This record gives sequence, structure tokens and C-alpha cells, in this order.
Amino acid sequence: GDSVTQMEGPVTLSEEAFLTINCTYTATGYPSLFWYVQYPGEGLQLLLKATKADDKGSNKGFEATYRKETTSFHLEKGSVQVSDSAVYFCALNPQGGSEKLVFGKGTKLTVNP
Amino acid sequence: NAGVTQTPKFRVLKTGQSMTLLCAQDMNHEYMYWYRQDPGMGLRLIHYSVGEGTTAKGEVPDGYNVSRLKKQNFLLGLESAAPSQTSVYFCASSKSGGPNQPQHFGDGTRLSIL
Repeated sequence: GDSVTQMEGPVTLSEEAFLTINCTYTATGYPSLFWYVQYPGEGLQLLLKATKADDKGSNKGFEATYRKETTSFHLEKGSVQVSDSAVYFCALNPQGGSEKLVFGKGTKLTVNP
Repeated sequence: NAGVTQTPKFRVLKTGQSMTLLCAQDMNHEYMYWYRQDPGMGLRLIHYSVGEGTTAKGEVPDGYNVSRLKKQNFLLGLESAAPSQTSVYFCASSKSGGPNQPQHFGDGTRLSIL
């Protein structure tokens, strides 16, 4: 079945460091891919998405590129801030427009001043 | 600008008790979802609804029931709570299904079963 694997956390960085959180997926065809962010005590918020191969999603300085050849959707940010501390979830929506989202286990990011 | 509102935010139950979690959305969304979030497990879909009066099972439906009597509300029931149901529960809604309709999440209900 469809699945998402993302790097184990937690990840601890200093402010202004470069961030990469790896995400790979298993799915048939061409799923849509998402990154959600969960700040402490809150629900998940959509951070960015890509719906076809080679698409780049971007928002708030974060980027991720849909790589069909490596079945990956790695999240990157060039310079993290303390306010980026949160749990990040990679997710996919199977091809065909299913209503279901398949989530990875989440990666906790802590950014220190 | 409420979005998705979950009630209650916290609850402690004893094994065998029953309770209902309420989810309300004010965005006129057709689709609604209930997830549970457990450490190291990500989010898992319990039940979902694609419209008023309809419900369907997700990945982990056992021990839960749901109802969607009104479009704006989606109720999750635990008939006989078990310690394994200790979790954080999230409700979400979307305008419709598919990748171009992102899901909007509530802030969660933390439920402990003793």
C-alpha cells in the first residue's frame, strides 16, 4: 500500500542554519505530495504541496521538489529561525483524487537562538 | 475566523466509560475527517465523511463510531473506552477530496483513558 517515510528526529539546529528533512514515498502512479507543520499545542497546517513530478512547492522560505525518479519530496530551508520550531509531517494523496491523506511519522525540529 | 473547532480540548476517562468528541467547521466544507495521533506513529485516519449523512471507515476504525447529521458537525464516539485509545484526536475538513483541496485541522483533543 501507499506509505511515507521521513527522517527520524528530533532535529536540533542553531538559528540561521540550513535545514533538510528527508521524505520518500511508496505509491502507484503519481500521487500529490504535501508538507504539513504542527506548532506546539496546535493542529496541523498545510505548509506546501506539489501535485506533479518536478513541481516545486514553496512557502515561508521552505521549499520541496517532487522527484519522481527518486520518489522523494525533501523539505529545505536556507536559514531557519526559532519560530520554525515545530513538528513537520510529509504526506501523500494517492493518484486519482482520493480523499485520504497518508502521513509520515513526523520530524520534530528545534531551533536554538 | 473559527475554522475547525474541537470540543473538549482535554478529557480523562475511566476504562469502560463512553464519550463523544465534537467537531464543528464553519467553512461549508463537504468532507470531514477524524484522525488519531500517537507518538512515533504520525496521524492515522479513523473515520471520514464525504457529505452530510454519510460516513466511512478509515485505517483504524475499531472501537469508534461517528455521525454526520449536520454538514457542519462531525461527532466521534467511544462506546467503551480502553487504555489503547489514549491519544490526541484531530478533526479536519476540506471543501472536497483530492490534492487541490487541502485539509484544515482543529487544535486537537487530548484524551487519556485510565
